[in-house]
Amino acid sequence: DIQMTQSPASLSASLGETVTIECRASEDIYSNLAWYQQKPGNSPQLLIYDANSLADGVPSRFSGSGSGTQYSLKINSLQSEDVASYFCQQYNNYPFTFGSGTKLEIK
Amino acid sequence: QVQLEESGPGLMQPSETLSLTCTVSGFSLTSNGVGWVRQPLGKGLVWMGTIWAGGSTNYNSAVQSRLSISRDTSKSQVFLKMNSLQPEDTGTYYCARHDRPHNNWAYYFDYWGQGVMVTVSS
Repeated sequence: DIQMTQSPASLSASLGETVTIECRASEDIYSNLAWYQQKPGNSPQLLIYDANSLADGVPSRFSGSGSGTQYSLKINSLQSEDVASYFCQQYNNYPFTFGSGTKLEIK
Repeated sequence: QVQLEESGPGLMQPSETLSLTCTVSGFSLTSNGVGWVRQPLGKGLVWMGTIWAGGSTNYNSAVQSRLSISRDTSKSQVFLKMNSLQPEDTGTYYCARHDRPHNNWAYYFDYWGQGVMVTVSS
């Protein structure tokens, strides 16, 4: 199974700041990586697919980058509604696997 | 618009068989695959299995021996059955639609249901 190592586990930042979440795969996943946002009490929502493609309706302050085994999600100009947990997921190999999540809070 | 809705019992006894239904609308099960993802309370996400548009299935080997995913395309429903339940199967179960861009073979989850909480306890 491909292990997805996500960091940091938690993050506290101020409104307007830029934050970055990292995800490392245990082997090359050829950019078949998605990022999801899960607000408290809600189901996950797709933010980014194919490592850097923005899903429909997602604000442009979210961006994804990376290749091979290293990927990142950047959130520019942090807003209060960005308080959530964020998960990466590889869909290159079975079983599809997720990172352990990053909990983002506002300082 | 695309919607998925899970339904099923909230409380199960150990060793019982769990049956969940995912009712979809806004798309056809013969056009998109649907997967099941489990999330223990306060923890991460685990893919359990998927039934693809052509009807084939793939399962996570961690639960493969206990899991079956099927569908009724006429009713737009996908079913999950998992036997020999244990307390560690407790969590929220989501169904989610697979999609891919035209220039990639690989499928991510683009729409998720609201989830159904299942507790396994005696």
